[in-house]
Amino acid sequence: QKEVEQNSGPLSVPEGAIASLNCTYSDRVSQSFFWYRQYSGKSPELIMSIYSNGDKEDGRFTAQLNKASQYVSLLIRDSQPSDSATYLCAVKENGNNRLAFGKGNQVVVIP
Amino acid sequence: DTGVSQDPRHKITKRGQNVTFRCDPISEHNRLYWYRQTLGQGPEFLTYFQNEAQLEKSRLLSDRFSAERPKGSFSTLEIQRTEQGDSAMYLCASSWDDNSPLHFGNGTRLTVT
Repeated sequence: QKEVEQNSGPLSVPEGAIASLNCTYSDRVSQSFFWYRQYSGKSPELIMSIYSNGDKEDGRFTAQLNKASQYVSLLIRDSQPSDSATYLCAVKENGNNRLAFGKGNQVVVIP
Repeated sequence: DTGVSQDPRHKITKRGQNVTFRCDPISEHNRLYWYRQTLGQGPEFLTYFQNEAQLEKSRLLSDRFSAERPKGSFSTLEIQRTEQGDSAMYLCASSWDDNSPLHFGNGTRLTVT
């Protein structure tokens, strides 16, 4: 099993709708979780970090963490065309200093 | 704060040649990371420095790859005898401490012909 899984294919949402992205991870004792946005041909850009169970909101973004179920999700409210990008889930592995990434989910916001 | 800087942005080389990339992290960050990313995949960890000490290396990092951070500031990643499979985006990132988020540079895109 891959360490960080993002399984759903490209997500198309109409402008103004909510985009929902999910991520599962295998290391039960991971403590730090991040969502990065990556535009085509650009480097990943941090948009959210979450460390404890529950929800964390920042503007139109909400990250949700459930350590018991080993998943972390990202909601994008009032989606805008500028949100069209690949979203990468990243999990800090316990016991070392590397950040493990999922392969990403592409989001397309349709005007 | 000028962010993480990488040079060059693009590098095209012939198979068998050596290449070297440079990364300048955010000035107050003493953690520095190298990742590699291919199309449709997330970044894969290569190596990690705390100050000048290289503390972790991925099994992905073959003997042809070497990274240095001689004074604990900028870092270089060298690939010797490049192969076509080395074609990828090489990303450098830095962080304040082990639990802080990573901040990425714009990457160096390597094409091996």
